Amino acid sequence: NAGVTQTPKFQVLKTGQSMTLQCAQDMNHNSMYWYRQDPGMGLRLIYYSASEGTTDKGEVPNGYNVSRLNKREFSLRLESAAPSQTSVYFCASSSRAYTDTQYFGPGTRLTVL
Amino acid sequence: GENVEQHPSTLSVQEGDSAVIKCTYSDSASNYFPWYKQELGKGPQLIIDIRSNVGEKKDQRIAVTLNKTAKHFSLHITETQPEDSAVYFCAASSSLAAGNKLTFGGGTRVLVKP
Repeated sequence: NAGVTQTPKFQVLKTGQSMTLQCAQDMNHNSMYWYRQDPGMGLRLIYYSASEGTTDKGEVPNGYNVSRLNKREFSLRLESAAPSQTSVYFCASSSRAYTDTQYFGPGTRLTVL
Repeated sequence: GENVEQHPSTLSVQEGDSAVIKCTYSDSASNYFPWYKQELGKGPQLIIDIRSNVGEKKDQRIAVTLNKTAKHFSLHITETQPEDSAVYFCAASSSLAAGNKLTFGGGTRVLVKP
């Protein structure tokens, strides 16, 4: 039981490049989330998927897109990376949206030059 | 939307002493308040949570208290140990409000000095 896994762990991009962050969970959870963590700002929600087949914007969705590929997988795509997107990205999952424990992955540290 | 403020941003305590972290929230509809611990290079991990139908919850050396009237909740760590050194986040969400998103505080970096 690996919990929540994320790939890659580290990534360096140039401005304008695109990439997809992958997330998978093996806990049969319905809800999945993408957060970004910047120094002194806690975790901010980018997008979430309350259940398979649905996605909704969070607090900071601009510049990102998501895909809930199936119940296990939720990917985050940066179409044209900008330096402001330099951050640590965390994926999380929970049995039900928000009011159940969210389990976090180990994170992806992204640097955009 | 919900706004969660967390204080202090850093906290240094001597091993064996207690540590207290306080959070305030703005949305009176919030009814779920988890606390997460994040160790260096890892993702946040839930350490304790409380729902609005109780005022206090304990789990060994950690406890959380909730004052719904004042809209604040606190994390208490007793008999601190070096392994308690980490960043702690509070959060709040509502199962009633539209969107019911989990909003995090800015975090508290706790350093336990041996």
